[in-house]
Amino acid sequence: DAGVIQSPRHEVTEMGQEVTLRCKPISGHNSLFWYRQTMMRGLELLIYFNNNVPIDDSGMPEDRFSAKMPNASFSTLKIQPSEPRDSAVYFCASRTNGGSYEQYFGPGTRLTVT
Amino acid sequence: GDSVTQMEGPVTLSEEAFLTINCTYTATGYPSLFWYVQYPGEGLQLLLKATKADDKGSNKGFEATYRKETTSFHLEKGSVQVSDSAVYFCALSDEGSARQLTFGSGTQLTVLP
Repeated sequence: DAGVIQSPRHEVTEMGQEVTLRCKPISGHNSLFWYRQTMMRGLELLIYFNNNVPIDDSGMPEDRFSAKMPNASFSTLKIQPSEPRDSAVYFCASRTNGGSYEQYFGPGTRLTVT
Repeated sequence: GDSVTQMEGPVTLSEEAFLTINCTYTATGYPSLFWYVQYPGEGLQLLLKATKADDKGSNKGFEATYRKETTSFHLEKGSVQVSDSAVYFCALSDEGSARQLTFGSGTQLTVLP
């Protein structure tokens, strides 16, 4: 089975540019999560969708960040405009709503903003 | 609120040594407990889990037992290999946090040949 798919794997952009990160969750999973990982702050939850509806976006750092989930098989995280402090690894994860609620993570997108 | 405290690293061991990474938790309900592993340049992978008290999760030679009385879920392996070098995260999922994952800060393990 295919796991969580993220693209691109690496992104280098200049400050001020728009960045769009993409995620395809595991088929049949109801919930999707976006995380950010940095050395300084560790792993941070940015936003969480359940059945394509945003449930908790309290972790989104500021209005420059937005996320959408137009259907059950696709989500985007957009940063506009990007800043150097946005440089991090961004992970997408998905899960079913039941059982032990474990999440399955994608390989991540390493974003560098110069 | 929920929280997870795990042993600070980095931890450096020789191959075939015994590994323990301590993890304790605070939760409002009856959480499920997890260990995730992150190899360099990769995402987090579920290593093992336990869903109720006294359950033992195991995978790839790693074990952890859900201890409700001590609110702990320590990770152990009897003989580590160089390929076990990674960052290990303890985590919980609780009704009180809407079943989101609460992670510990991670422990970097390096195994030397």
